[in-house]
Amino acid sequence: TQLLEQSPQFLSIQEGENLTVYCNSSSVFSSLQWYRQEPGEGPVLLVTVVTGGEVKKLKRLTFQFGDARKDSSLHITAAQPGDTGLYLCAGGVRAAGNKLTFGGGTRVLVKP
Amino acid sequence: DAMVIQNPRYQVTQFGKPVTLSCSQTLNHNVMYWYQQKSSQAPKLLFHYYDKDFNNEADTPDNFQSRRPNTSFCFLDIRSPGLGDAAMYLCATSRDRGQRVYEQYFGPGTRLTVT
Repeated sequence: TQLLEQSPQFLSIQEGENLTVYCNSSSVFSSLQWYRQEPGEGPVLLVTVVTGGEVKKLKRLTFQFGDARKDSSLHITAAQPGDTGLYLCAGGVRAAGNKLTFGGGTRVLVKP
Repeated sequence: DAMVIQNPRYQVTQFGKPVTLSCSQTLNHNVMYWYQQKSSQAPKLLFHYYDKDFNNEADTPDNFQSRRPNTSFCFLDIRSPGLGDAAMYLCATSRDRGQRVYEQYFGPGTRLTVT
């Protein structure tokens, strides 16, 4: 059984500050997805990382996949109130078929 | 735009009164999922369809059933809702091409209230 641990569970910061969310596992994943979910809405896919060591950037968001494909991080530079939401990492592996393993989520609050 | 649509967005039902939630997709994906999500927790998979094949999670209560009449539509039936079934229900889709990327695309969710 694959497990994904996300940390921290909750993060409250001021607008303009930076933040990093971590997603760790003892298992290897074929791909890892990051989602953002706003209150009352479904998760929206932000990025998928596939290759060990891969770094992807989406405006102020930087996503990294660990070399061993067991961990990932999301870094937000100069956070804005619009970045507020629940961030979820989710990993996929062939042994699990088409099911994803989700991390517990990180609630991010960016105060103006 | 290709998307996953859920109706209704908000559903209120009475304790024990059957309710059906619907999901449709224009992505032509062959896999569809139903998740239950409570209070900022991670989504919990209830079951999924791989094409027409139904796959139930071991801990999904019998109270929850699903139907997938065609590729585009999937329904979640709750036969006798209890207060503990109040939650956000999320539908998601993915396309399995034998690749190693496991992206799922979510609908906006249906917020279920049980009175």
